[in-house]
Amino acid sequence: EVVLTQSPATLSMSPGERATLSCRASQGVGRYLAWYQQKPGQTPRLLIYDASTRATGVPARFSGSGSGTDFTLTISSLEPEDFAVYYCQQRGNVPPLTFGGGTKVELK
Amino acid sequence: QLHLRQWGAGLLKPSETLSLTCGVYGGSFSAYYWSWIRQSPGKGLEWIGEINHSGNTRYNPSLESRVILSVDPSKKQFSLNLTSVTAADMGVYYCATAIVRWFDPWGRGILVTVSS
Repeated sequence: EVVLTQSPATLSMSPGERATLSCRASQGVGRYLAWYQQKPGQTPRLLIYDASTRATGVPARFSGSGSGTDFTLTISSLEPEDFAVYYCQQRGNVPPLTFGGGTKVELK
Repeated sequence: QLHLRQWGAGLLKPSETLSLTCGVYGGSFSAYYWSWIRQSPGKGLEWIGEINHSGNTRYNPSLESRVILSVDPSKKQFSLNLTSVTAADMGVYYCATAIVRWFDPWGRGILVTVSS
């Protein structure tokens, strides 16, 4: 199966800063990668799919990039509500689909 | 707007069968695959499998031998049965809508505990 490795595990940031989260796949998945946001006690929320397409209602400060094995989620200027855990998920041509271990964006 | 509501027993003894059901509200039942995903501190998010309105299924090979998915299109419901549960099966179980390759929306999740 495709292993997704997210880094860093924890990102300590301040509001207004730019956050860059990485997701690396053990083998190429094309652009079949999504990002989810999960806040404590809540369900994951789809943010980005097809590597760079924002889901409905997702603010423009969230952007995704990458293809193949290396992907990035960027939050251009952190808002207080953005402190959460972020997961990547792949659904390339090698089943099963898998999720990364998550990056926690915490308040510095 | 599509909304999922899930229910089922959350406290099980080892070797019992986990049974959960998810109802689909406010949207088409035939347009998507319907998935089960679980989350635990040890394994993170893990896809269990999915089913469509016709009963076509896809499973995670790691769980396939213990998973049975079923669907009732007349009620717009789908169900998960996971047999022979152990402590390793503890976590939060989510139902979710598989939109092509992605999941949106998700149900609220049910915490499953396995204890003798």
